[in-house]
Amino acid sequence: AQSVTQLGSHVSVSEGALVLLRCNYSSSVPPYLFWYVQYPNQGLQLLLKYTTGATLVKGINGFEAEFKKSETSFHLTKPSAHMSDAAEYFCAVSDRATNKLIFGTGTLLAVQP
Amino acid sequence: NAGVTQTPKFQVLKTGQSMTLQCAQDMNHNSMYWYRQDPGMGLRLIYYSASEGTTDKGEVPNGYNVSRLNKREFSLRLESAAPSQTSVYFCASSESKKNIQYFGAGTRLSVL
Repeated sequence: AQSVTQLGSHVSVSEGALVLLRCNYSSSVPPYLFWYVQYPNQGLQLLLKYTTGATLVKGINGFEAEFKKSETSFHLTKPSAHMSDAAEYFCAVSDRATNKLIFGTGTLLAVQP
Repeated sequence: NAGVTQTPKFQVLKTGQSMTLQCAQDMNHNSMYWYRQDPGMGLRLIYYSASEGTTDKGEVPNGYNVSRLNKREFSLRLESAAPSQTSVYFCASSESKKNIQYFGAGTRLSVL
């Protein structure tokens, strides 16, 4: 069975600092991996995805993530945090056959001025 | 381009009442999904429909029913609401081969 673990339910950074949100997955087959962002009182929006090919994936708003098979990780990073990045971030793994997504429990990112 | 539209946005029910949450997508997607979101638990799949005419249970189907009315619409019904069903409900759709799900804005449901 597939699963996702997000380390740290709350992360706080200063504006301009590095953002690092951690995600580890478990999958018996090569996974499709996703990061979604949820702004307050809104639905989820895709940040980036990994399917095959290049292991460093670039997404919207300056975010990127690296697929590391040996570490079963897909951590999300952004070099310099902006106030507008404050949101909840969800890592997810996909069952390729059914397109079903398995979500992590989310990480709430706070950006301090 | 509306994407995925959910109605209503907010709803308050009394225990035992029934209601249907509506979802429609205009992206011609084959697959549609219903999730619930609870604090500290992420999103959990209630039901999904891989294509028009098919529905399958997800992780937490008890207390819910679904109908894939046509390719555009996928409704979620609570026959006898319980306080444990207080949650935020999200509908999503995807094109089968691309694995990207697009989400609606959610329905915030309180059951008293």
